[in-house]
Amino acid sequence: DAGVIQSPRHEVTEMGQEVTLRCKPISGHDYLFWYRQTMMRGLELLIYFNNNVPIDDSGMPEDRFSAKMPNASFSTLKIQPSEPRDSAVYFCASTQWGAGDTQYFGPGTRLTVL
Amino acid sequence: AQTVTQSQPEMSVQEAETVTLSCTYDTSESDYYLFWYKQPPSRQMILVIRQEAYKQQNATENRFSVNFQKAAKSFSLKISDSQLGDAAMYFCALSGAGSYQLTFGKGTKLSVIP
Repeated sequence: DAGVIQSPRHEVTEMGQEVTLRCKPISGHDYLFWYRQTMMRGLELLIYFNNNVPIDDSGMPEDRFSAKMPNASFSTLKIQPSEPRDSAVYFCASTQWGAGDTQYFGPGTRLTVL
Repeated sequence: AQTVTQSQPEMSVQEAETVTLSCTYDTSESDYYLFWYKQPPSRQMILVIRQEAYKQQNATENRFSVNFQKAAKSFSLKISDSQLGDAAMYFCALSGAGSYQLTFGKGTKLSVIP
């Protein structure tokens, strides 16, 4: 079974541009999470969905960040406009109810904003 | 609020030897899960081992085992017969049962010396 898939693996953009990160969860998983990893702040939960519905977005840093999950197999995290301080590795993870809270992570997207 | 503390930023071990990584946590939840994740240079987050707080027995997975001391809120990871492939960042994480919100420690960088 394929794991969590993220694209792109690397993204380099200029300040002010829109960035869209993509995630495909493991088939059958009904929870999807977006995390950000930086040296300063470590791993932070940004937002998570259950059955395609956002449950908690309190970790989203500001209005420039938005996330959607139009169906059970696809989610996006968008940053508009991007800033250099958004440079980080962004992870998507998924799990299913009854899995003992075990989350399975994708390979991450390394974002660099110049 | 829940917190996870890893007090050892870096550790090293000789190949084939045993090493223990420390983790302490704090939570007001009565039921929760604890995890160790491994992040090699590829940056993929890999689940190493999982412990359910209501279980007295310490979890084991091949060469990996934990020492779970619930009263002391301690959750250390022991790696036996260390291998070069064990070199990575190791993250301790906690989630309240059913909350699906993982809180991570800052990580311990493990080096394996041939």
